Amino acid sequence: DTGVSQDPRHKITKRGQNVTFRCDPISEHNRLYWYRQTLGQGPEFLTYFQNEAQLEKSRLLSDRFSAERPKGSFSTLEIQRTEQGDSAMYLCASRRGEETQYFGPGTRLLVL
Amino acid sequence: QKEVEQNSGPLSVPEGAIASLNCTYSDRVSQSFFWYRQYSGKSPELIMSIYSNGDKEDGRFTAQLNKASQYVSLLIRDSQPSDSATYLCAVNRAGNNRKLIWGLGTSLAVNP
Repeated sequence: DTGVSQDPRHKITKRGQNVTFRCDPISEHNRLYWYRQTLGQGPEFLTYFQNEAQLEKSRLLSDRFSAERPKGSFSTLEIQRTEQGDSAMYLCASRRGEETQYFGPGTRLLVL
Repeated sequence: QKEVEQNSGPLSVPEGAIASLNCTYSDRVSQSFFWYRQYSGKSPELIMSIYSNGDKEDGRFTAQLNKASQYVSLLIRDSQPSDSATYLCAVNRAGNNRKLIWGLGTSLAVNP
């Protein structure tokens, strides 16, 4: 257990539904990252927060994806109008400054 | 050319042998380098970090960095079946040290 938690661990939804995932980073970590990973691929960067500010967002992130980190602590990732191609593992990671990045256990999403 | 490249494998070694995993990167001024291990269905976990040229040893693991040749490797001595996993290389790029650049990973199988 790295100290980064994610909820839920698994989510099954029907195409067109909205889903929201939560990440609680290690408490003193100011940087928080969201990644998406599909089978056989490395983590694919989605977005990055430093404290409460969203500083970078991947071009891969369509308008259906939004992320927040309202008080610089936990973060949420919402996917609207889910599509089957959104099925993946969604990983959250946190780090303090430039130190090591630690991952949460991930949320596995299946869109039917 | 991808920014971080790894052979996808699978790399197969007998139990007790040395497993050698390699990673090359394109940005010459990259500053810090990480090896993560990922078991199937789990999130990545940090194995080693290395910041300066040379070798860094931690138990059965040795990371080797050669900035002139732009490669970083991970050696696993006395390989065990429990080492069977995907090994991900990640690089912190100078000038954009807020996020890691990831390779696609090398699959390692240690045969009993």
